[in-house]
Amino acid sequence: DAGITQSPRYKITETGRQVTLMCHQTWSHSYMFWYRQDLGHGLRLIYYSAAADITDKGEVPDGYVVSRSKTENFPLTLESATRSQTSVYFCASSESGRGASTDTQYFGPGTRLTVL
Amino acid sequence: KQEVTQIPAALSVPEGENLVLNCSFTDSAIYNLQWFRQDPGKGLTSLLLIQSSQREQTSGRLNASLDKSSGRSTLYIAASQPGDSATYLCAVTQGGSEKLVFGKGTKLTVNP
Repeated sequence: DAGITQSPRYKITETGRQVTLMCHQTWSHSYMFWYRQDLGHGLRLIYYSAAADITDKGEVPDGYVVSRSKTENFPLTLESATRSQTSVYFCASSESGRGASTDTQYFGPGTRLTVL
Repeated sequence: KQEVTQIPAALSVPEGENLVLNCSFTDSAIYNLQWFRQDPGKGLTSLLLIQSSQREQTSGRLNASLDKSSGRSTLYIAASQPGDSATYLCAVTQGGSEKLVFGKGTKLTVNP
């Protein structure tokens, strides 16, 4: 019963490097989401996906790229990391996303990213 | 733009007390409202989901209510325990969207 996992759990990188954060879920949920959590801002949506090969921007998409070739995976790439992208990143998934009782989002444990 | 506010930002109570956490949102056109719990250094755990057509949901010692027209929700915790200490977040799914908009949370401390 793995649920939703994220890797790595901790990452330190340098400004300008490309970084990919991985997210994997075992429930075959249609929807997957990427959030960042920062003090003073709370949780903010970066990108989300309603199904394989369907992605859409959230509130703070600049500097990030996502893909979803398989239902169970939703990687997030920082193309050229900046210090402002230092944050805790959470991946989440849900069975549905438009008002059903199955909209409940299940969160991964998070990835703490530091950009030096 | 939907804004979700949680007041107070922090709350400290003695063990055994019944308590209420508040959440307000500016746009009543929502699909649902969810309450989450976050322990330090951990991810979020879903507690309750209230659909827009519902007034309340209950799970154990937790009861969440929703008044969509006034843009308010409350999370009632009965007989609080030290293990309830965590940050509680509410979030709404905006109508016409799959996106969750989060409040900044209420940090609850229950003292033994």
